[in-house]
Amino acid sequence: NAGVMQNPRHLVRRRGQEARLRCSPMKGHSHVYWYRQLPEEGLKFMVYLQKENIIDESGMPKERFSAEFPKEGPSILRIQQVVRGDSAAYFCASSPPRGQAKNIQYFGAGTRLSVL
Amino acid sequence: GQQLNQSPQSMFIQEGEDVSMNCTSSSIFNTWLWYKQDPGEGPVLLIALYKAGELTSNGRLTAQFGITRKDSFLNISASIPSDVGIYFCAGQLATGNQFYFGTGTSLTVIP
Repeated sequence: NAGVMQNPRHLVRRRGQEARLRCSPMKGHSHVYWYRQLPEEGLKFMVYLQKENIIDESGMPKERFSAEFPKEGPSILRIQQVVRGDSAAYFCASSPPRGQAKNIQYFGAGTRLSVL
Repeated sequence: GQQLNQSPQSMFIQEGEDVSMNCTSSSIFNTWLWYKQDPGEGPVLLIALYKAGELTSNGRLTAQFGITRKDSFLNISASIPSDVGIYFCAGQLATGNQFYFGTGTSLTVIP
């Protein structure tokens, strides 16, 4: 997990509020991935971004969820009008540009979202 | 998306026993990664594989990139209690940057 920083580690929101999850990739990594994990389940791909571009958002719910990775600053996963079913662990991972280093992906420690 | 079948889904073994798990895909991958996840933590990378037939070790862990490039195997020798956790495989196609994950193998080691 070294290098990929996620914050906050824990986030509590009431139904209807917005949740913002942040991820800073490892130094030199320009690709960011977001995954959701429910208790006792595997990692579900949500979205894959490069700087200022969404490459693949096929795993992202069509409504209320959005992601960005601006030129400066961390990647943000935003969940609007949260519902109880959004409660999960959200993991961010980063990888270097293909061809510039070994194909590899490192994870952050995750943000655990609880919706009351 | 790509489907990775990981088996077994769960294992209960005695301390000291060896463990084997595998991951299969319907597509050809050119990278395989193996991760371990402890409760409440993010997945930690254990081993990365880049060539068909490649065999790589990390302490008591050994992983192999299948010859067909559609599967990979992870072995743990002489298991200890701290091996408990969920093990995930991940594969990457020849093009694109996305990694596809298996469903995980939950390992319980009985002292």
